[in-house]
Amino acid sequence: QKEVEQNSGPLSVPEGAIASLNCTYSDRGSQSFFWYRQYSGKSPELIMSIYSNGDKEDGRFTAQLNKASQYVSLLIRDSQPSDSATYLCAVLRPNDKLIFGTGTRLQVFP
Amino acid sequence: EPEVTQTPSHQVTQMGQEVILRCVPISNHLYFYWYRQILGQKVEFLVSFYNNEISEKSEIFDDQFSVERPDGSNFTLKIRSTKLEDSAMYFCASSGGLILGYTFGSGTRLTVV
Repeated sequence: QKEVEQNSGPLSVPEGAIASLNCTYSDRGSQSFFWYRQYSGKSPELIMSIYSNGDKEDGRFTAQLNKASQYVSLLIRDSQPSDSATYLCAVLRPNDKLIFGTGTRLQVFP
Repeated sequence: EPEVTQTPSHQVTQMGQEVILRCVPISNHLYFYWYRQILGQKVEFLVSFYNNEISEKSEIFDDQFSVERPDGSNFTLKIRSTKLEDSAMYFCASSGGLILGYTFGSGTRLTVV
């Protein structure tokens, strides 16, 4: 079982729609969870962090965490073409190592 | 906004040569990391560094790799004898606190020929 799993996509959504990105993780001891955005050929850029069960909103982004189900998600409201990128789910392991999923490629078409 | 700086942005080297990748982490950060990303693959952990010593390393980080913090600002990754499969994007990252997430540098694209 992979430590952090994501659907590689691509996930295609029309401009203005809600994009929903999902992630599952295997280590129940993990406490901190992050979403990074990576444009092609660029470095990962932190967009959201979440530590407690429930929802956390920041602008157009909402992160959701369910530790019982070992599930993290990211919602992007009012998707824009500039949101087209690969979204990386990352989990901070108890040994303080940040582990990334393979990423989900999001395409927002006009 | 503070940033992590990496040099060079692109390095081409011959197989068997030594390379040193350089990073300047954010000045008040205490935790430093190297990751790599082979083209089309996921971002992989290599090593973490705290309090002037390695705190964790992956299976990838074998005897060919070493890290150093030679002064108060630089953080380097050395690959002693490069192999073709070392070709990848290498990212340095730093963190001011583990739960705060990491800030990544723009990366060094290493091409081994």
